[in-house]
Amino acid sequence: EAGVVQSPRYKIIEKKQPVAFWCNPISGHNTLYWYLQNLGQGPELLIRYENEEAVDDSQLPKDRFSAERLKGVDSTLKIQPAELGDSAVYLCASSSSGDTGELFFGEGSRLTVL
Amino acid sequence: GENVEQHPSTLSVQEGDSAVIKCTYSDSASNYFPWYKQELGKGPQLIIDIRSNVGEKKDQRIAVTLNKTAKHFSLHITETQPEDSAVYFCAASGNQFYFGTGTSLTVIP
Repeated sequence: EAGVVQSPRYKIIEKKQPVAFWCNPISGHNTLYWYLQNLGQGPELLIRYENEEAVDDSQLPKDRFSAERLKGVDSTLKIQPAELGDSAVYLCASSSSGDTGELFFGEGSRLTVL
Repeated sequence: GENVEQHPSTLSVQEGDSAVIKCTYSDSASNYFPWYKQELGKGPQLIIDIRSNVGEKKDQRIAVTLNKTAKHFSLHITETQPEDSAVYFCAASGNQFYFGTGTSLTVIP
């Protein structure tokens, strides 16, 4: 069974440029998460989807970040415009049982903003 | 919201020795406590978890203990091997996952 797939793995952009990350969760997993992981820190939730509905986006900086999960499967996280402080790893995870079961993480998308 | 603290931030042990990582949490509503292992350049992977109705769980060389009264839980790795070297994260979840800041474990051959 394929795991959570993320792309791109690495992205280098200049500040003020836009960037987008894509995630394909494990088949059948209704819950999808985007996490931010700064160097030396644990993952921090950006947004959580149940199917196509964003059920928790309270920590998503909505002035520059947006996300969508059309058709309740793949998801895209966008930053526009990117700032230097956005340099981090963006992790996607999926789960079949919400916040009470195992999270399956992708390998992450490492963003460097110059 | 929940606050999860994790100690130590770095840990070095000799191969074959035991390693212990400790976490505390603040929200008594948290009822699920997983531990994740993250290798360099990879996403975190679940290694063991425990729910609030259980005090201890063991899986081969890995064990987790939970003290609900004191709001702390610990990861124990026995007979450590070089391949155990990684960053370990604890987490607490009630209605949302909250992760600790990680422990970088180095097992010296």
